[in-house]
Amino acid sequence: GAVVSQHPSWVICKSGTSVKIECRSLDFQATTMFWYRQFPKQSLMLMATSNEGSKATYEQGVEKDKFLINHASLTLSTLTVTSAHPEDSSFYICSASPPGERNTEAFFGQGTRLTVV
Amino acid sequence: AQKITQTQPGMFVQEKEAVTLDCTYDTSDQSYGLFWYKQPSSGEMIFLIYQGSYDEQNATEGRYSLNFQKARKSANLVISASQLGDSAMYFCAMKERAFSSGSARQLTFGSGTQLTVLP
Repeated sequence: GAVVSQHPSWVICKSGTSVKIECRSLDFQATTMFWYRQFPKQSLMLMATSNEGSKATYEQGVEKDKFLINHASLTLSTLTVTSAHPEDSSFYICSASPPGERNTEAFFGQGTRLTVV
Repeated sequence: AQKITQTQPGMFVQEKEAVTLDCTYDTSDQSYGLFWYKQPSSGEMIFLIYQGSYDEQNATEGRYSLNFQKARKSANLVISASQLGDSAMYFCAMKERAFSSGSARQLTFGSGTQLTVLP
């Protein structure tokens, strides 16, 4: 199946700093990627839709100035958590689907566990 | 309103037995896709099985089968011959307007079921 790679798999940062998370589709081009957030023992909640060449679409309640998304190429989307706070500590995971596939299966990155201290 | 409902926060099953994980969904779309993912403690999302709304037969993938009852809007996952390695969180998810052209659609997830396989 298709491969989506996410980096880093875990990161610890200090409050007030920024953290960048990368999501790459390795063997297909993705005009759209999705970013999810997951708190412990909870479900995945969609944060934003990353669109290549245009602005991301954020879900209600997600601060676009805090969670900056850049989709500069057809294989790379980045999520930057700016001025991180301990409450931003969470598991962040991206997904993408190869174009033209009727079953539109979503392939996920490995996820990034962010801890803000 | 919840689009995907998983009513079993936790389930236990004896090794080698079969187990059914429940999932109901709500949508007004005619074309949609239903997915099951497994999430072990490492966090990765492992795709298990897919059912399209127009598929007439229930999907099967090895030990996984999906009991799709369209009129009841349910898409239960059946795992046969459970193994210790099946212990994980299981998520049911839906993609609406799955077959329409245009940009990809996001998945909406249920709250998950934590499955524990007992030796």
